[in-house]
Amino acid sequence: DAGVTQSPTHLIKTRGQQVTLRCSPKSGHDTVSWYQQALGQGPQFIFQYYEEEERQRGNFPDRFSGHQFPNYSSELNVNALLLGDSALYLCASSPWDRGKYEQYFGPGTRLTVT
Amino acid sequence: AQSVTQLGSHVSVSEGALVLLRCNYSSSVPPYLFWYVQYPNQGLQLLLKYTSAATLVKGINGFEAEFKKSETSFHLTKPSAHMSDAAEYFCAGNAGGTSYGKLTFGQGTILTVHP
Repeated sequence: DAGVTQSPTHLIKTRGQQVTLRCSPKSGHDTVSWYQQALGQGPQFIFQYYEEEERQRGNFPDRFSGHQFPNYSSELNVNALLLGDSALYLCASSPWDRGKYEQYFGPGTRLTVT
Repeated sequence: AQSVTQLGSHVSVSEGALVLLRCNYSSSVPPYLFWYVQYPNQGLQLLLKYTSAATLVKGINGFEAEFKKSETSFHLTKPSAHMSDAAEYFCAGNAGGTSYGKLTFGQGTILTVHP
């Protein structure tokens, strides 16, 4: 049983560009959450998707957007990249009714903005 | 809003010594609390979780944590450190209710284990 998978592993982009990160949840999970982990910091909640809708959002600008597909996989899009967007982006999945009890994290995508 | 505070960004112990990593939370509602471990260039692995069933929680790799409501603490301990325990540890909380599934993390504690 595959766990949470994310692609790509690493990504280098230039300031002002746009990027799309992808996440496939653990089998049986229908809820996906995205977190940003800057170097030396704890992860910060970006948003959460369930039933293809954004259910909760953290304190991130509208440049950060997402999507969830019918197969529960998800994308995180960041427009107009800033140097400060350089971070490890983590995806977590859970069953919707157990999200407060358990979340499984993927290995992350390391984004570097130059 | 809930917050999680980890006391000590770096903790260093000798192999075989007690590991104690501190976490305090603030919340207006009884929280769900978690400890995660992160090895270099990897994602987060769940060590243990408190979901109000028992105040002393046992996790993987010999770690345990005790929920103390009176002290608003959820400290992580391990009786005897092993070299493989060297990693970064994060305490996280979920206030439940409308914050369903939204984790708030502490800043992390880097654990170094000396031979």
